Amino acid sequence: QKEVEQNSGPLSVPEGAIASLNCTYSDRVSQSFFWYRQYSGKSPELIMSIYSNGDKEDGRFTAQLNKASQYVSLLIRDSQPSDSATYLCAVNGRGKLIFGQGTELSVKP
Amino acid sequence: DAGVIQSPRHEVTEMGQEVTLRCKPISGHDYLFWYRQTMMRGLELLIYFNNNVPIDDSGMPEDRFSAKMPNASFSTLKIQPSEPRDSAVYFCASSWTSVNNEQFFGPGTRLTVL
Repeated sequence: QKEVEQNSGPLSVPEGAIASLNCTYSDRVSQSFFWYRQYSGKSPELIMSIYSNGDKEDGRFTAQLNKASQYVSLLIRDSQPSDSATYLCAVNGRGKLIFGQGTELSVKP
Repeated sequence: DAGVIQSPRHEVTEMGQEVTLRCKPISGHDYLFWYRQTMMRGLELLIYFNNNVPIDDSGMPEDRFSAKMPNASFSTLKIQPSEPRDSAVYFCASSWTSVNNEQFFGPGTRLTVL
């Protein structure tokens, strides 16, 4: 079992819809969780961090964390073509970030 | 504020040559990380430093790879000798602390070994 798992996609949504990205992790001691956005040919960019169970909202982005289920998600409301990118889930395990393989999101105009 | 700076941005070399990648972390960040990204293996941590001291190099693929951090504002990743399978994008990232570990990435170095 991989330490951090994401659906590879591609996930295709129409413009204006909600995009839902999911991530599961295996290490129960993990305490901090991150979502990075990576455009093709660019470096990962930190867009959300979450440390406690529940929801955290920042603009059109909402991160959700359920430690009991070892599950993290990212919702993107009112998706825009500019949101088309690969989204990487990262889990802080024992001082190191463990990254998932990423989910490719495509927002169609 | 300047972000993480990496050089060169692109490197093309021939098999057997030495390659040196450079990184300047964000000022004040105590942690520096070197990653490698390929389509097949995704984003892999190679090594990380805390206050210039290597903490975990378990991701370094083999002895051909070495990394140093002589001071708080500079780190190098060296591959000697380079091989075609080393072709990848190498990222440097830095963070304030390992407690929450929000890491900020540099633009990366795209390495091609012919």
